[in-house]
Amino acid sequence: NAGVMQNPRHLVRRRGQEARLRCSPMKGHSHVYWYRQLPEEGLKFMVYLQKENIIDESGMPKERFSAEFPKEGPSILRIQQVVRGDSAAYFCASSPSPLQGSSGGYTFGSGTRLTVV
Amino acid sequence: GDSVVQTEGQVLPSEGDSLIVNCSYETTQYPSLFWYVQYPGEGPQLHLKAMKANDKGRNKGFEAMYRKETTSFHLEKDSVQESDSAVYFCALSDGDGGSQGNLIFGKGTKLSVKP
Repeated sequence: NAGVMQNPRHLVRRRGQEARLRCSPMKGHSHVYWYRQLPEEGLKFMVYLQKENIIDESGMPKERFSAEFPKEGPSILRIQQVVRGDSAAYFCASSPSPLQGSSGGYTFGSGTRLTVV
Repeated sequence: GDSVVQTEGQVLPSEGDSLIVNCSYETTQYPSLFWYVQYPGEGPQLHLKAMKANDKGRNKGFEAMYRKETTSFHLEKDSVQESDSAVYFCALSDGDGGSQGNLIFGKGTKLSVKP
């Protein structure tokens, strides 16, 4: 039973390029959450999605960032025109339901470490 | 807004020492409280949790008591081991399990146990 799969594990982009981060939730989980971890900081909530719907994007920067979770395939976090300040670890978590998620039922992936040069 | 403040930076006990990592929270709601542990190169893993006041979360010799009157959830262990070395995050859930369910994290405490 595979856990939450994120790829790539490491991603290097030059300033101005686009970054695409992928997350496949655990089997049976239809709720996906993206978090960002800056160096020496805790994780900050970015966005919560269900299949084909964005439920809460209150933590997403207003520009350059977008997320989707299509009916088929992984959830994608897309960062356009990356800047050095976007360098961070991006974690995806999934849960079977928001109730189970808020009760500690998240499973986190191993993250994508984005470096902008 | 909701927030979590925990012991910052690094804690350097020796093996066999007792441990307390402080965690205090602020919220207008009645949250669930968690400690997550993160090992190098990995994502956070749930370490222990408490869902309501006076609940005590336990795991691998660690304990944390949900204290509503002091809005605290301190992580404690009587005798730490080198294998406990990791980064520990205190967190709360800010939703009622309805449309939300996302977590608010503290900045993390790096536990480095000396052999």
